Amino acid sequence: GAVVSQHPSWVICKSGTSVKIECRSLDFQATTMFWYRQFPKQSLMLMATSNEGSKATYEQGVEKDKFLINHASLTLSTLTVTSAHPEDSSFYICSAPGGESTGANVLTFGAGSRLTVL
Amino acid sequence: GQNIDQPTEMTATEGAIVQINCTYQTSGFNGLFWYQQHAGEAPTFLSYNVLDGLEEKGRFSSFLSRSKGYSYLLLKELQMKDSASYLCAGMNSGYALNFGKGTSLLVTP
Repeated sequence: GAVVSQHPSWVICKSGTSVKIECRSLDFQATTMFWYRQFPKQSLMLMATSNEGSKATYEQGVEKDKFLINHASLTLSTLTVTSAHPEDSSFYICSAPGGESTGANVLTFGAGSRLTVL
Repeated sequence: GQNIDQPTEMTATEGAIVQINCTYQTSGFNGLFWYQQHAGEAPTFLSYNVLDGLEEKGRFSSFLSRSKGYSYLLLKELQMKDSASYLCAGMNSGYALNFGKGTSLLVTP
């Protein structure tokens, strides 16, 4: 089936540093990937749409200079949280549509990356 | 944009049937999806509807009425492991999912 690999699973960093999270589609190609953020006991909030070979599309209120997205290939998208601060601590999850076993419209989610900024 | 509304919490007994309702308002619609999420884990896909009617997948079924902006997820023969958060999500014209706040289901013995 469609598998999305995401790492690191969890990361702890100091305030002011940058953290990169990778999202890979393992057995299918994804021209589009979606990045979500989830705070404790809240729902998933769409941050941005990552587009292979072009600029990402950010949702309203999400700072594109703080959350850098690169989609360099059909199987890899990265999210870099720059100059992280404690309020950026959250659960970041990527997803990709497609994969023959799931259907083109079904999003498969990565396992998520839990970021803690000290 | 999309507004997704679903109950915050529900409780049901092991072996019973539970229906989780979801209403939505959307300016672009490419389907209504249901995901299950256990605490600290990523969501896993359960079911989706693009057209009106009932989709059955084992113990899980989902129903959609586009004219009413309404969907429900039906869980049969509840098991303890079904205790989780159930997320209703509408897919927009850009194929991104917009999630509701989720319904926390507690299955009791």
